[in-house]
Amino acid sequence: AQSVSQHNHHVILSEAASLELGCNYSYGGTVNLFWYVQYPGQHLQLLLKYFSGDPLVKGIKGFEAEFIKSKFSFNLRKPSVQWSDTAEYFCAVNGPEDFGNEKLTFGTGTRLTIIP
Amino acid sequence: DGGITQSPKYLFRKEGQNVTLSCEQNLNHDAMYWYRQDPGQGLRLIYYSQIVNDFQKGDIAEGYSVSREKKESFPLTVTSAQKNPTAFYLCASSRGSSGNTIYFGEGSWLTVV
Repeated sequence: AQSVSQHNHHVILSEAASLELGCNYSYGGTVNLFWYVQYPGQHLQLLLKYFSGDPLVKGIKGFEAEFIKSKFSFNLRKPSVQWSDTAEYFCAVNGPEDFGNEKLTFGTGTRLTIIP
Repeated sequence: DGGITQSPKYLFRKEGQNVTLSCEQNLNHDAMYWYRQDPGQGLRLIYYSQIVNDFQKGDIAEGYSVSREKKESFPLTVTSAQKNPTAFYLCASSRGSSGNTIYFGEGSWLTVV
């Protein structure tokens, strides 16, 4: 079965630090890749997505992610974090087993805490 | 206001009782989903429906049931057979073919005591 791994469970950074959150998936073939964010008390919202084309995708609020097919990875990055980036971040994949539909397999999430 | 509405936001139930969570969307999406979110486990798919009157089991369907009688509605029933029902439940929807984004509701907290 397809799976998604987020190895960082809780990351604590100071404001202005650079961020990289890891995401790896377990299968080959065509994949659609997503990062969702859940701010405290808010619903899950899309941060960015990759379907095809340029493997470096840019999302909202200065986030970007790079799809590296050879490494089965889709890491999330931000050059300088802000206190308002404190949230839980989920990587998700729509993989070959989901052909013809859009259901997602999620990672376990990474809790990001930014210290002012 | 377009979007996905889940109700109730908070629900308490006694063990052994069935409970139904409501999910309505006005986005004209064909596909709808129910996920369960537990700390440290991310989101896991319970059921999904790609079209009215049809639905499929997800990864953790045991102890749950759904119906899809209308395009805009996809209620989830948590039955007494669900061994660990206390969780945060998220409803979502998407256009439904392939390559589209899934949008989420605000969630429902279910506590079974």
